[in-house]
Amino acid sequence: DTAVSQTPKYLVTQMGNDKSIKCEQNLGHDTMYWYKQDSKKFLKIMFSYNNKELIINETVPNRFSPKSPDKAHLNLHINSLELGDSAVYFCASSQDKNIQYFGAGTRLSVL
Amino acid sequence: AQSVTQLDSQVPVFEEAPVELRCNYSSSVSVYLFWYVQYPNQGLQLLLKYLSGSTLVKGINGFEAELNKSQTSFHLRKPSVHISDTAEYFCAVGGSGTYKYIFGTGTRLKVLA
Repeated sequence: DTAVSQTPKYLVTQMGNDKSIKCEQNLGHDTMYWYKQDSKKFLKIMFSYNNKELIINETVPNRFSPKSPDKAHLNLHINSLELGDSAVYFCASSQDKNIQYFGAGTRLSVL
Repeated sequence: AQSVTQLDSQVPVFEEAPVELRCNYSSSVSVYLFWYVQYPNQGLQLLLKYLSGSTLVKGINGFEAELNKSQTSFHLRKPSVHISDTAEYFCAVGGSGTYKYIFGTGTRLKVLA
């Protein structure tokens, strides 16, 4: 069983479209995260939820909206996609402030 | 504020040679330190962690790291690398008082035959 799973693995779409990425963890953790990894491999936190409450909200365009329906799920919706949104998006989870476990990533390509 | 510097963007090394990947951090509070590995087109896998206790930390795949608090460094070492160790390695700093990890910019380890 995959501990942190993301879907889809690859996402190719046109500029201006709206898309969602889903994340699920089966580790029983209470905290989940979204990271963005750019083309230079730089990894930066975007959002974090603890028990469905938003606790980290970095400087991210408001076209990005996370949603956590329950502790095991954290989805990322992106409106009006732009070329600069092309990146690999990683989901992660942790129990409180402990070790973060990462999913395999979603490679988003905006054409 | 916390920050992490990985001093080398690329490290080429021959198979069976030793390797050290350097990481320096700054933090005003007690830290947690991590090394993650990212194989091509894959997610990040935890190699090892320092939360407290012994400053010499052993991880998976024969890697170890030593925390040097006076030099604020957490360098990763392996005595003999394999071709399969070719990957991107990330150092990260967290802390008991924060959910936020700060990642370094990564070091690409290329093991040559």
